[in-house]
Amino acid sequence: GESVGLHLPTLSVQEGDNSIINCAYSNSASDYFIWYKQESGKGPQFIIDIRSNMDKRQGQRVTVLLNKTVKHLSLQIAATQPGDSAVYFCAENRSSGGSYIPTFGRGTSLIVHP
Amino acid sequence: DADVTQTPRNRITKTGKRIMLECSQTKGHDRMYWYRQDPGLGLRLIYYSFDVKDINKGEISDGYSVSRQAQAKFSLSLESAIPNQTALYFCATSDLRETQYFGPGTRLLVL
Repeated sequence: GESVGLHLPTLSVQEGDNSIINCAYSNSASDYFIWYKQESGKGPQFIIDIRSNMDKRQGQRVTVLLNKTVKHLSLQIAATQPGDSAVYFCAENRSSGGSYIPTFGRGTSLIVHP
Repeated sequence: DADVTQTPRNRITKTGKRIMLECSQTKGHDRMYWYRQDPGLGLRLIYYSFDVKDINKGEISDGYSVSRQAQAKFSLSLESAIPNQTALYFCATSDLRETQYFGPGTRLLVL
């Protein structure tokens, strides 16, 4: 079946480095993607989104890249800080009766060392 | 996110018991969702509702039921709890942009 998955379950970086978290998706009909951050003991929080008519979108210190050819999504975090330590999920949104139903990947744990 | 609240935050119950998890939101969103989270499996959708009269099964609805009592309230019930329903449960709402806003979660342990 169609699925969303992550290549790396854990990513360790040094403070100040750039981080890249990857996500593969297999549903070619998905046209809206979101990255969420989940800190320990909390629910996931929206970071950034991208629609399939774009290949790059930038936010504050974060950039999402979308490669539809290989069905790949990445989240880049610039100058990673200890507060960025969390689990990051990508979610693909597929249309269902005109609305979108999200499917989440397994998540990548980002550990930032001071 | 204080706009989406869940009660209880933690619950221990025994096999066979009926329990209800409640979710309330003040964001004014029509769309609400229930997910469960298990280690290494991410978030899986149990049920979702696009308005008060709308209930839809998600990926893993067996063993669960829901009630959408009002726009702001969406409750999840386990009619007869079993140990493999031990998990972290999240309620979420979404706006027209489909961004999900999650509650703080309910940690459920079924003995």
